[in-house]
Amino acid sequence: EPEVTQTPSHQVTQMGQEVILRCVPISNHLYFYWYRQILGQKVEFLVSFYNNEISEKSEIFDDQFSVERPDGSNFTLKIRSTKLEDSAMYFCASSEGGGAGETQYFGPGTRLLVL
Amino acid sequence: AQKITQTQPGMFVQEKEAVTLDCTYDTSDQSYGLFWYKQPSSGEMIFLIYQGSYDEQNATEGRYSLNFQKARKSANLVISASQLGDSAMYFCAMREGDNDMRFGAGTRLTVKP
Repeated sequence: EPEVTQTPSHQVTQMGQEVILRCVPISNHLYFYWYRQILGQKVEFLVSFYNNEISEKSEIFDDQFSVERPDGSNFTLKIRSTKLEDSAMYFCASSEGGGAGETQYFGPGTRLLVL
Repeated sequence: AQKITQTQPGMFVQEKEAVTLDCTYDTSDQSYGLFWYKQPSSGEMIFLIYQGSYDEQNATEGRYSLNFQKARKSANLVISASQLGDSAMYFCAMREGDNDMRFGAGTRLTVKP
């Protein structure tokens, strides 16, 4: 069964460093998403991406964040200058369509720790 | 205002019994989708079940069913014949129209042998 994959599974970085989190969505899906989950808290939406552009973003997704689909398979989240509070699990998700009824399938997550 | 409310931070159930996890939502949209995800201790988010706002019948997927009460704006997850492997965090989520998906705070289910 096709699934969303994410690399790395864990990343430790120093405050102020840039990190790139990678995702390979399900191949026939057209909508891509990033979410984060701070330890012990709820899952929070960051950004959605369709047709090579951001379709929606939350207030969390400020100028330090960017997303890119550099080729036909990868979808990346870049955090430019990491802060301690960026420590979280970051989930990539994808869906076939973008409507209310479209199920989003999540990757296994990347656990980011900023020291 | 909270869009999705899960009032049970933790629940316990005896193995082989059924359990209901509560979820209420707030929306003025006519078109929305309701989702339940399971998050085991390993951290991944596993899709369980979906209910559309226009669906007249409650969704079912194996041992999972969704008790959808539109007038009450509730979408409770029922797990029948609980298994030890059902122990996990369970998140209710809603998507209104094309907007982003909002998650509840989650319920930690523990299945006791």
